[in-house]
Amino acid sequence: DGGITQSPKYLFRKEGQNVTLSCEQNLNHDAMYWYRQDPGQGLRLIYYSQIVNDFQKGDIAEGYSVSREKKESFPLTVTSAQKNPTAFYLCASSPDPADRDNEQFFGPGTRLTVL
Amino acid sequence: GDSVTQMEGPVTLSEEAFLTINCTYTATGYPSLFWYVQYPGEGLQLLLKATKADDKGSNKGFEATYRKETTSFHLEKGSVQVSDSAVYFCAPVTDSWGKLQFGAGTQVVVTP
Repeated sequence: DGGITQSPKYLFRKEGQNVTLSCEQNLNHDAMYWYRQDPGQGLRLIYYSQIVNDFQKGDIAEGYSVSREKKESFPLTVTSAQKNPTAFYLCASSPDPADRDNEQFFGPGTRLTVL
Repeated sequence: GDSVTQMEGPVTLSEEAFLTINCTYTATGYPSLFWYVQYPGEGLQLLLKATKADDKGSNKGFEATYRKETTSFHLEKGSVQVSDSAVYFCAPVTDSWGKLQFGAGTQVVVTP
């Protein structure tokens, strides 16, 4: 089955530690995205990548970093510089970033809790 | 800047009731418009979309019409079921590369 996988589903980290969230897609999509979701708020874009080896900051990139070494993978690192990292993180992909009619396909999400 | 306004939730309904979730947006030009749905503990799924003025998107009994004059994309369903309980997000495309601008989401609770 084609789709997007995120792991782990739940993640706990101590304050001051970096942590990496995994996102893998086997849909052969060019574009990938990371969003953050907080209770009662919509999704906010952290980073996006339109093609391998290229990525851009979204609206709330501070304290996060990404890489896009392979088409199917787009890991997100939450660094200790992120002041309020506890949230639900969603990864998404879309076939062609130049086509504004394309839907984005979402993974199941990772819930990160900082203790 | 671009923004999306959705009606606040939670919206609580009885089964078979009529559902409307209002969505208005501000954006440059005529963006494609999407409604996504999020079931508890899951990621988002596309519910429906409309790509030009007066288009009607529909899926699973839900409908929404692209109203250019009022910059609105209200979601409707004539008879809801308990399984429709979820959070619904309105999201216009606000950038040339397909960036979505999400509303805050509207939680819908359908009781038997």
